[in-house]
Amino acid sequence: AQTVTQSQPEMSVQEAETVTLSCTYDTSENNYYLFWYKQPPSRQMILVIRQEAYKQQNATENRFSVNFQKAAKSFSLKISDSQLGDTAMYFCAFTSNTGKLIFGQGTTLQVKP
Amino acid sequence: GAVVSQHPSWVICKSGTSVKIECRSLDFQATTMFWYRQFPKKSLMLMATSNEGSKATYEQGVEKDKFLINHASLTLSTLTVTSAHPEDSSFYICSARDFGQSNQPQHFGDGTRLSIL
Repeated sequence: AQTVTQSQPEMSVQEAETVTLSCTYDTSENNYYLFWYKQPPSRQMILVIRQEAYKQQNATENRFSVNFQKAAKSFSLKISDSQLGDTAMYFCAFTSNTGKLIFGQGTTLQVKP
Repeated sequence: GAVVSQHPSWVICKSGTSVKIECRSLDFQATTMFWYRQFPKKSLMLMATSNEGSKATYEQGVEKDKFLINHASLTLSTLTVTSAHPEDSSFYICSARDFGQSNQPQHFGDGTRLSIL
């Protein structure tokens, strides 16, 4: 069975600084997708970034980038130039051909002014 | 972009009442929808996979008779919490996958906050 682990329950960062959120996963499959979702206090689920396992190049979306290490089964999220609006709970998630999303425990990120 | 509408957003009702939550894909067809439950400051736990025209697939530990799922059309799935009790109070979120875009991310509804008194 697939599992996703986020070992940092809470993190904080000063505005304009950079922060990295960790995620590891376990699977025996070769074709899968990884995601980072943001959940602000409104509780909407907002897709931040996605990575296809077959792509070696790390995904980037503006201030958000990932460090995907397939052999190590690691998928960390780097937020550059942190903004107050980045304050939220962040979930790492895994999916394969079943379409089921398996979520990590979540990391609460506080951006401080 | 694709939109998933979930209704109601918030419901408060008495213990013993059955509550129906709707999840609609507004601009795409979804043969598969997913229902999640989330406790405060916790992760999303998959409850079941809703399949259009067939029975839902429930995750281990989820009571089928408590959480009835119907997926009668390509744009609508419903979750009915039967004879709800205070322990069923939670945040329920649905998601849908575009039938024609299997390699694209799921689209989430905005969730339903259920409070049972």
